[in-house]
Amino acid sequence: DTGVSQNPRHKITKRGQNVTFRCDPISEHNRLYWYRQTLGQGPEFLTYFQNEAQLEKSRLLSDRFSAERPKGSFSTLEIQRTEQGDSAMYLCASSLGQGAKGYTFGSGTRLTVV
Amino acid sequence: EDQVTQSPEALRLQEGESSSLNCSYTVSGLRGLFWYRQDPGKGPEFLFTLYSAGEEKEKERLKATLTKKESFLHITAPKPEDSATYLCAVSSSNTGKLIFGQGTTLQVKP
Repeated sequence: DTGVSQNPRHKITKRGQNVTFRCDPISEHNRLYWYRQTLGQGPEFLTYFQNEAQLEKSRLLSDRFSAERPKGSFSTLEIQRTEQGDSAMYLCASSLGQGAKGYTFGSGTRLTVV
Repeated sequence: EDQVTQSPEALRLQEGESSSLNCSYTVSGLRGLFWYRQDPGKGPEFLFTLYSAGEEKEKERLKATLTKKESFLHITAPKPEDSATYLCAVSSSNTGKLIFGQGTTLQVKP
């Protein structure tokens, strides 16, 4: 297993466009998390899945954001009508159960909204 | 509300100059406290998990300790390759997510 994979690594989009990111977790991990990180800050929780069920969403997550994890495997994060404030690093992580052995992060997708 | 505060925000050390990073936390039912290292443009890399007060873990020049209110990451005789941002996070019994602090950016000069 090569770890958590995120695609694309970088995305530049115009304001108002929709974007979609993909995350492939470690295959035996049943939990998958999405975080957002801006420069100089720690990762900020967005949402997480256990298998295909979305168990929690941050109240900071606007309705322009939607995440899916069909069949409990890969996950996608879609941002509709992007705004400049959406520019950030979007990180995906996965864990086995409640993460007693750690949460493994991917390298992230850097989004720039121009 | 669960909260994590790290200090200092930035730390500059000379190679070989030992120091400590602090992570203060407030959480309803600590499940685990996590330390991560993050290099620029990359995702966080897992270092340690601590579960109960008094627990200590070591890895090379790093040693993490935990009390009921805070954790310390001790760096002994650091090298330039230890330069990175160190993130602290907690997981509570109420939720499966990690809550992160803002990080401490460490620069070690040769």
